[in-house]
Amino acid sequence: EDQVTQSPEALRLQEGESSSLNCSYTVSGLRGLFWYRQDPGKGPEFLFTLYSAGEEKEKERLKATLTKKESFLHITAPKPEDSATYLCAVRPLSGTYKYIFGTGTRLKVLA
Amino acid sequence: KAGVTQTPRYLIKTRGQQVTLSCSPISGHRSVSWYQQTPGQGLQFLFEYFSETQRNKGNFPGRFSGRQFSNSRSEMNVSTLELGDSALYLCASSSRGQSYNEQFFGPGTRLTVL
Repeated sequence: EDQVTQSPEALRLQEGESSSLNCSYTVSGLRGLFWYRQDPGKGPEFLFTLYSAGEEKEKERLKATLTKKESFLHITAPKPEDSATYLCAVRPLSGTYKYIFGTGTRLKVLA
Repeated sequence: KAGVTQTPRYLIKTRGQQVTLSCSPISGHRSVSWYQQTPGQGLQFLFEYFSETQRNKGNFPGRFSGRQFSNSRSEMNVSTLELGDSALYLCASSSRGQSYNEQFFGPGTRLTVL
């Protein structure tokens, strides 16, 4: 069964303290892996798409990487405004069109 | 470019009633997906529509239904509401092309069932 697991569930960092969020996935084939940021009371905001192992994408303090079994979202020198829930989703290669989401990592960055 | 819009933003209903939620995708986007988000389950896929056709459906009971119109706007309907249907319902749109896999979400409709 296709599955996405994110860890940790919650993470508290001091401002400037770099860390990584993990997204492990089990699918028969990967069409794409996606990272989203969600603020309380809002819909998820698209961050990155990764398609193949070894691929990396960067945006400001965020960098996403992909291997054959997992993806990491690295946060460098985070600021309080980076506090949010980060969601990972995969789209399998199979004939379905659905996206499978992880339950997210709640990040809190303290000033 | 205007983003995905959803109406209403908040709804309060009682058990047994039915509800219709609306979603307008980003202009030019022909694919619309619906998700249910709850604290315990995260985002659960409901269904996806493309060019007025349902392409896939998640594991939800038949009380959950949807449709898409020729202008790509979509509605979802939940009949015979249950307390467990209380959730944030999110709509996402995507387009064909190089980045067609990316989904862009609306702000959601917060449904409370009493």
